[in-house]
Order: sequence, then structure tokens, then C-alpha cells
Amino acid sequence: EIVMTQSPATLSVSPGERATLSCRASQSVSRNLAWYQKRPGQAPRLLIFGASNRAPGLSARFSGSGSGTEFTLTITNLQSEDFAVYYCQQYDHWPPWTFGQGTKVEFK
Amino acid sequence: EVQLVESGGGLVRPGESRRLSCGASGFTFDSYSMTWVRQAPGKGLEWIAHINSGSSIITYADLVKGRFIISRDNVKNSVFLQMNNLRVEDTGVYFCTRAMFAGYSDGSPRYYFDYWGQGALVTVSS
Repeated sequence: EIVMTQSPATLSVSPGERATLSCRASQSVSRNLAWYQKRPGQAPRLLIFGASNRAPGLSARFSGSGSGTEFTLTITNLQSEDFAVYYCQQYDHWPPWTFGQGTKVEFK
Repeated sequence: EVQLVESGGGLVRPGESRRLSCGASGFTFDSYSMTWVRQAPGKGLEWIAHINSGSSIITYADLVKGRFIISRDNVKNSVFLQMNNLRVEDTGVYFCTRAMFAGYSDGSPRYYFDYWGQGALVTVSS
């Protein structure tokens, strides 16, 4: 099973600033990596697939990068609706599909 | 518009059973694999089960293998999760997701989860 590790656990950011979230896989997942946003009481939302492809309709403020074992999600010009928990997920080796433990982006 | 709507959640006693349903609309249901993902209170996302479009490939997380059964009805555009011998640690919100095909790698298909339902809360408590 591939273990996904996200850092930091919590990121305190002010509106308008940039947030950089990291995700590490225990072995290479190539570029088969997705990012999801989860707000309380809402369904998770796909943001990025293929490590760097934005989901349809997603703001260009969100960008993903990386390959192999190291990945990054960057959110620029943070808006109020961006404060949420973000999960990375590998889909290169399944079963199981595995998620990171999440990074909470909170208001500074 | 793609919509996934879960139903069937509620309070159950340890050892009892519960069946979740997920109704799909807005896409050609029988062309997609589907999965269930859960989130325990205060915890992260955990994949539970997957079924391909024709029900010929079914996989489970080890934590639920032998207790949960995923199935689908391509006529009724629905996917189901039969949960048996429920445990307190099965408590959580269960999300139905559509699995988007992402090509092949080493000869095996790859899927990520592009649409999610709002979830069904299952509470297992005595």
C-alpha cells in the first residue's frame, strides 16, 4: 500500500496570500496524483488530476506540480472560499486508492 | 449536470446491517466505474470499495472486506453498499463517487474520482 504524507498539517494564511501544500508518496506514483478540497458539510471537490491538470471550471489560482514521489498544490491570492482541508490522493497503484491525511488551510 | 445522491444512512447498532444507495444522473452511468469513500468524524478520506461499469471488477479495502458488498444496477442508474456486521469504527459519512478513467499505466487502468455526492451519515452505536 502506498502511503501519502501531507505537510504541513495546518497552514495559516491571510486572504490574498499564497498557500503552498506538499504531498509525498512512499513510492513513485508517476503523475497519477489528484488533489481534492473538502469544506465542512460539503462534498469533496476534485481540483487537480494528473498532478497538474485543473478540473474543468477551476480557477487558475490553483496549480499543481510534481511527479514521482513529491507533489505540490499552490493556491495564489487566497479567497475566503479557499479556507478548507485539502487532500492528495494517488491512483497509480490500486487497490487501495490512498489519500494523505489532509492539510487544513485556515485564516491567519 | 452530474449528480450523485446518497441515501440510507442512519443510526444502527453494532453487528447490524445497513444498505446505502447512490442515485446517479447527468451522465451515461453504465460507462463509468463507481466507488465509495468514507470519512470518520474528525478524520480524513478513506477509500472503501470500487466497482467497474460491468460489475466484473470489484475491490474492497481490507477494513471492510468480507463485511461490505458493493453492487450496481445500470438500469436504475444506482450503486449500492451493503454493510454487514457493522462496527463502531464504521461510523462516518459515506460518499459515492464517479471514477474517471485516466488511461493505462503498466497495462492497468487508472481512475481518479471526479464527482462526489453529498454523503450519507452512518452512526454505529449501542
